[in-house]
Amino acid sequence: DQQVKQNSPSLSVQEGRISILNCDYTNSMFDYFLWYKKYPAEGPTFLISISSIKDKNEDGRFTVFLNKSAKHLSLHIVPSQPGDSAVYFCAASPQGGSEKLVFGKGTKLTVNP
Amino acid sequence: KAGVTQTPRYLIKTRGQQVTLSCSPISGHRSVSWYQQTPGQGLQFLFEYFSETQRNKGNFPGRFSGRQFSNSRSEMNVSTLELGDSALYLCASSLDPGPSNYGYTFGSGTRLTVV
Repeated sequence: DQQVKQNSPSLSVQEGRISILNCDYTNSMFDYFLWYKKYPAEGPTFLISISSIKDKNEDGRFTVFLNKSAKHLSLHIVPSQPGDSAVYFCAASPQGGSEKLVFGKGTKLTVNP
Repeated sequence: KAGVTQTPRYLIKTRGQQVTLSCSPISGHRSVSWYQQTPGQGLQFLFEYFSETQRNKGNFPGRFSGRQFSNSRSEMNVSTLELGDSALYLCASSLDPGPSNYGYTFGSGTRLTVV
């Protein structure tokens, strides 16, 4: 039973445009969400997180939106750059992030120059 | 400061053998978690250690085990290797249990191939 789903295995966007990566979850106990970026042959790198008490968190070009009623979150990257090309993982944790992460299977983002 | 160090980076083993992977967390981090990444299943949680105690365990068979030492360094062991154990094994460290506000810091992983 996949509790965190990233339904788009891949996404391709033009440089300078917006990239929107989506994530859905099923477990209502999740209250802390994170996005990681992963390049080949490297470990995942933490990007941004959001607690369930918020519906938006922003860090530079990266914004995460959380819709608790829909159990849906999204990561917006504006503007997209070729260096953003990587696999993006959505992850969720219960109890304010004090418990293990449950990951989605990832979305491969390609930003074309 | 130095990041999370995993050794070795690459490993090839034969079915039935056992393997030990090592992880040195960021200095000062007391919690170490292990994840398995495969193309079909994504990243799956193996176990988490804090202060030398296993705090959490994922849904993996008993062939997968781990431990943490007093200096927070951790090892994981897989016995009686199967072809399906071929994966990237990632170690993540954090100051306290769980990812908290800063997320885990992951190492680059150990790529295990079982032949």
